[in-house]
Amino acid sequence: GENVEQHPSTLSVQEGDSAVIKCTYSDSASNYFPWYKQELGKGPQLIIDIRSNVGEKKDQRIAVTLNKTAKHFSLHITETQPEDSAVYFCAASYQGGKLIFGQGTELSVKP
Amino acid sequence: SQTIHQWPATLVQPVGSPLSLECTVEGTSNPNLYWYRQAAGRGLQLLFYSVGIGQISSEVPQNLSASRPQDRQFILSSKKLLLSDSGFYLCAWSGSSGNTIYFGEGSWLTVV
Repeated sequence: GENVEQHPSTLSVQEGDSAVIKCTYSDSASNYFPWYKQELGKGPQLIIDIRSNVGEKKDQRIAVTLNKTAKHFSLHITETQPEDSAVYFCAASYQGGKLIFGQGTELSVKP
Repeated sequence: SQTIHQWPATLVQPVGSPLSLECTVEGTSNPNLYWYRQAAGRGLQLLFYSVGIGQISSEVPQNLSASRPQDRQFILSSKKLLLSDSGFYLCAWSGSSGNTIYFGEGSWLTVV
């Protein structure tokens, strides 16, 4: 069945460094790949997304890259700040609009 | 703008008691609606989704049920809660064409 693998499960960086989170997906029909940030006790918030007709998308300090051939996509956060600390989820679309999520990455940015 | 409301925010229920979590969406028509569960391991598991009034699809067999009595209202229920039903429940919506999903603030359920 459909599956999304996300790595690493935890990531600790120093403030100002970059953070990279990687995901792979199994369904070759997937064409939409969002990323969510979840702070403790809150619902996940969409931070950036990319569609299959684009290889890269950037929004200020956040960028997402997509390699459809390899079924890989990645989240890049540059110049990390303590407020970037949260759990990040990748997801891939399947079956006409539903999303399957990765297991999450707990990012810790140390001041 | 669209907003999603979910309640109650926290709930402590004894084993065997009923459950009702409610979700409403404002500012859009004919949304797709979803219930997810998030256990301690962080993963988001899709429980139910609905593309219209009275249309419910279940993704996993379980002790829970869902209903959509109105276009922008989605309810998660159980007749008898189990300990394993404890978790963080998230309602979400997307446009009728699918894809971008927006989550509510979640409901913490503890079954004791």
